[in-house]
Amino acid sequence: DIQMTQTTSSLSASLGDRVTISCSASQGISNYLNWYQQKPDGTVKLLIYYTSSLHSGVPSRFSGSGSGTDYSLTISNLEPEDIATYYCQQYSKLPWTFGGGTKLEIK
Amino acid sequence: QVQLKQSGPSLVQPSQSLSITCTVSGFSLTSYGVHWVRQSPGKGLEWLGVIWRGGSTDYNAAFMSRLSITKDNSKSQVFFKMNSLQADDTAIYYCAPGYDAMDYWGQGTSVTVSS
Repeated sequence: DIQMTQTTSSLSASLGDRVTISCSASQGISNYLNWYQQKPDGTVKLLIYYTSSLHSGVPSRFSGSGSGTDYSLTISNLEPEDIATYYCQQYSKLPWTFGGGTKLEIK
Repeated sequence: QVQLKQSGPSLVQPSQSLSITCTVSGFSLTSYGVHWVRQSPGKGLEWLGVIWRGGSTDYNAAFMSRLSITKDNSKSQVFFKMNSLQADDTAIYYCAPGYDAMDYWGQGTSVTVSS
């Protein structure tokens, strides 16, 4: 199975900050990488698909980039409703696998 | 507007099976696949399997021997069944429609495996 690693398990930032969350794959995944947001109440939403495409209804302050084995999610102007845990997920090979998550908190 | 309603038990006896129904609205099961994902404290998010819009399935090999996903397009329902549950199967189980991503997620079904 492809292992997805989010080395930062928690991150503290201030409102208005630019925040970058990283994710690495154990092998190249050809940009087949999605990002999800899980709110404290458990609600999960798709943010970014295929590395950098914004899912419908997602604010433009979210963006994704990367290639090969290394990918990142950037929030350009942190807002209070962005407090959540963020997960990367690859779909290059079955089984699809997730990173361990990065919990974003307000400083 | 996509809506997902999951129905299933909250408590399952060890060695018994788990059945969850995901009823969808706002789209057709002939247009979207439906993935199943679970979240447990010990193992984070795990992709379990998918039933594609044409009815074919892919399963996580780790669960293939005890997992079955079927659907009824006319009723907009997807059926998840996992056999031989043990304590480490305690988790929140989600259905999530999508193709190359899990586009939408339900609230999940919290399942505890205990006698």
